[in-house]
Amino acid sequence: NAGVTQTPKFQVLKTGQSMTLQCAQDMNHNSMYWYRQDPGMGLRLIYYSASEGTTDKGEVPNGYNVSRLNKREFSLRLESAAPSQTSVYFCAGGTDLTYEQYFGPGTRLTVT
Amino acid sequence: GEDVEQSLFLSVREGDSSVINCTYTDSSSTYLYWYKQEPGAGLQLLTYIFSNMDMKQDQRLTVLLNKKDKHLSLRIADTQTGDSAIYFCAESIGQKLVFGQGTRLTINP
Repeated sequence: NAGVTQTPKFQVLKTGQSMTLQCAQDMNHNSMYWYRQDPGMGLRLIYYSASEGTTDKGEVPNGYNVSRLNKREFSLRLESAAPSQTSVYFCAGGTDLTYEQYFGPGTRLTVT
Repeated sequence: GEDVEQSLFLSVREGDSSVINCTYTDSSSTYLYWYKQEPGAGLQLLTYIFSNMDMKQDQRLTVLLNKKDKHLSLRIADTQTGDSAIYFCAESIGQKLVFGQGTRLTINP
């Protein structure tokens, strides 16, 4: 089992460009999550999907959109990247009963 | 509101015990978690504790929960150089997790 995979690993964008971060899990989790990690700020939830077909905003959703394509895949889209979106982005899948979350390796995004 | 607080840094000598502390605010949290993050990697779940427990032991790791004071701690026995990492505590709010800022553990020879 690969667990949670994310692509790409690294990305550099210019201000105003768009891109989609991909996430897939093979752990049969119903819930999936997108976080961003900035120095000294821990992890902040951007969006989550409690089950296939549903998505909800987290703490910092502005500037992002998500798609839960199927049970395995949950993508994060930046429509018009801004320097403030320079961060490390993590995707996670979560269990139903004990809410443990299992993380991917992250995407390091720089917006210039 | 939901808030999880941790001290930012801890330095210990190799072979000593490390104790990382965390306080949280939501008394309805069902589960509390400890994650480890090594440089350039994602977060790895170390252990979790159900809120009606006060202690959980797993090999070198001991988790203590004081629900009255909303205080959680992680003790790592016989700390090794491979334990150098950032440790995050988190509380469950429904299906969502709220994370602390992380404690950077440094091991001195």
